[in-house]
Amino acid sequence: DAMVIQNPRYQVTQFGKPVTLSCSQTLNHNVMYWYQQKSSQAPKLLFHYYDKDFNNEADTPDNFQSRRPNTSFCFLDIRSPGLGDAAMYLCATSRVGQYGYTFGSGTRLTVV
Amino acid sequence: GENVEQHPSTLSVQEGDSAVIKCTYSDSASNYFPWYKQELGKRPQLIIDIRSNVGEKKDQRIAVTLNKTAKHFSLHITETQPEDSAVYFCAASENDYKLSFGAGTTVTVRA
Repeated sequence: DAMVIQNPRYQVTQFGKPVTLSCSQTLNHNVMYWYQQKSSQAPKLLFHYYDKDFNNEADTPDNFQSRRPNTSFCFLDIRSPGLGDAAMYLCATSRVGQYGYTFGSGTRLTVV
Repeated sequence: GENVEQHPSTLSVQEGDSAVIKCTYSDSASNYFPWYKQELGKRPQLIIDIRSNVGEKKDQRIAVTLNKTAKHFSLHITETQPEDSAVYFCAASENDYKLSFGAGTTVTVRA
């Protein structure tokens, strides 16, 4: 029942080398979220798209960008990954008016 | 914005005993309170949720209670089993939008 799909599951990138994580959904949900989760911590919201409208959290570093070319896809771009950006990145979707998030399986990012 | 506090951070229980996790929230406008279970290396999975128009909801061994006046809600797991071992997150939001998560509770069920 993989309705929110994240690729890849594991990503290793070099310090400072741009990396892109992808998320796709078949649920036709209008809101897509990117969360960063470090070990044993709560998911931290980076930003979200409400339809085409991009919403950045105030404390999200400029190093993180996002694109949503259509309803189904959303990308997380990390322009210059640092060691502190190593984490699990979770994509989630929801439909306004219907309660509940659906999470993807996540992408575990390692920075070497 | 919404601030959700969750306690305890770790909880160890004997198999068959009950487990209770408590959360408080700050925004009185919040009206949706889900609970997620996350096993190691896996995605968070919704296990139960409650809206502000009810005070309690039960699903087999899991129940959630909500006290709107005090702005707190709790997860109750009865007859715990080893497969209940996981990290549990509470969350709150106004409508279904932009969940704010608690810090998580690591539950260990001892056989």
